[in-house]
Amino acid sequence: GENVEQHPSTLSVQEGDSAVIKCTYSDSASNYFPWYKQELGKRPQLIIDIRSNVGEKKDQRIAVTLNKTAKHFSLHITETQPEDSAVYFCAAQLLQTGANNLFFGTGTRLTVIP
Amino acid sequence: DTEVTQTPKHLVMGMTNKKSLKCEQHMGHRAMYWYKQKAKKPPELMFVYSYEKLSINESVPSRFSPECPNSSLLNLHLHALQPEDSALYLCASRWTSGSQDTQYFGPGTRLTVL
Repeated sequence: GENVEQHPSTLSVQEGDSAVIKCTYSDSASNYFPWYKQELGKRPQLIIDIRSNVGEKKDQRIAVTLNKTAKHFSLHITETQPEDSAVYFCAAQLLQTGANNLFFGTGTRLTVIP
Repeated sequence: DTEVTQTPKHLVMGMTNKKSLKCEQHMGHRAMYWYKQKAKKPPELMFVYSYEKLSINESVPSRFSPECPNSSLLNLHLHALQPEDSALYLCASRWTSGSQDTQYFGPGTRLTVL
């Protein structure tokens, strides 16, 4: 099965600095990579995703990059704000007909220091 | 309605009790999921229903019994649970359309087993 590793497990940055979270996956067939943000006591919320036919995707201060050859993908948050503080989970999935499983990374606790 | 809802928000039960968790979505999604999430850990897949049929059971103990009465509703029946089953139970539904394939999470039920 798929195995997703995520680093670092905790990350502290000063407000306004950038934050980068990295994930690797094991199954070269995986073709969809979402990122979820989970604030304390709340549900995981999708913040950005990328498909394997794309190398990079941006949405305002958030970007995701994918290197299929190396089987790794990264989340980049620029100009961090205190409200970015949360746990971030990467995931990998093989999109195919029928039910698809999301394989989650172990999570990164991001703290943005005002 | 663009949300996945879950009831109750909190549940405390004894080891001999029988209780049920409920999940609802009216977005027309045809795949629904139960996850278990322990503190500081990623969501862990339990069950997947696709078109109201159970398609994945991730070796979950029989004290957890899922049910999908219709395309909008997903239940998780609980009986004779153990204290280690205390966790946040998340429901999710999956939206697929063209290039989009996304799981949307409900707010979860925080379960405490005494």
